[in-house]
Amino acid sequence: AQSVTQPDIHITVSEGASLELRCNYSYGATPYLFWYVQSPGQGLQLLLKYFSGDTLVQGIKGFEAEFKRSQSSFNLRKPSVHWSDAAEYFCAVGITGNQFYFGTGTSLTVIP
Amino acid sequence: GAGVSQSPSNKVTEKGKDVELRCDPISGHTALYWYRQSLGQGLEFLIYFQGNSAPDKSGLPSDRFSAERTGGSVSTLTIQRTQQEDSAVYLCASSLSRDRGPSGRAWAHNEQFFGPGTRLTVL
Repeated sequence: AQSVTQPDIHITVSEGASLELRCNYSYGATPYLFWYVQSPGQGLQLLLKYFSGDTLVQGIKGFEAEFKRSQSSFNLRKPSVHWSDAAEYFCAVGITGNQFYFGTGTSLTVIP
Repeated sequence: GAGVSQSPSNKVTEKGKDVELRCDPISGHTALYWYRQSLGQGLEFLIYFQGNSAPDKSGLPSDRFSAERTGGSVSTLTIQRTQQEDSAVYLCASSLSRDRGPSGRAWAHNEQFFGPGTRLTVL
């Protein structure tokens, strides 16, 4: 069965430090990959997506993610975290059909 | 322009009662999704509408759950005889449509735009 794993439930980083959020998926072929962010009281917002081509994709708010087929991973990175980045981050996979599979999310806390 | 809206934002109900949750998608978006987000869980797909096609109901957890989409726009998710385990945030999302991805594969999901959700509490 298809699945999306975000192994880190909660991460705390200092403002200005680098960030990497992990995402692994289980699917036989290359899926469509997404990262969404959910700020408190806000709806989910798309950060970036990968369909094909260059495996390093740039998104909004200074985020990027790299698709690694050999590791079935799509980790999200940011070189310098801002306090406003504190939120819940969801990795999602789109495959054939109409469904998305979302991970359980990683909660990010940013400390001054 | 206006985004996806959902109402009510919060709903508290008693066990056994029926509830209706409403979603107004972005105008012109033909695809509409319902998800459920429980505490500590990811988003659970419930149902998908695409234009006038029959909806994909494969994610509905029981026959107490149903959804309609009238006129290809507004959607209502109905939960009958609510149970405490139905307590969750119910999210609606809309997108333009399916189309071919850059690689020419059969389909590709356009970006989904999410509403703020309805927090349902069943006492």
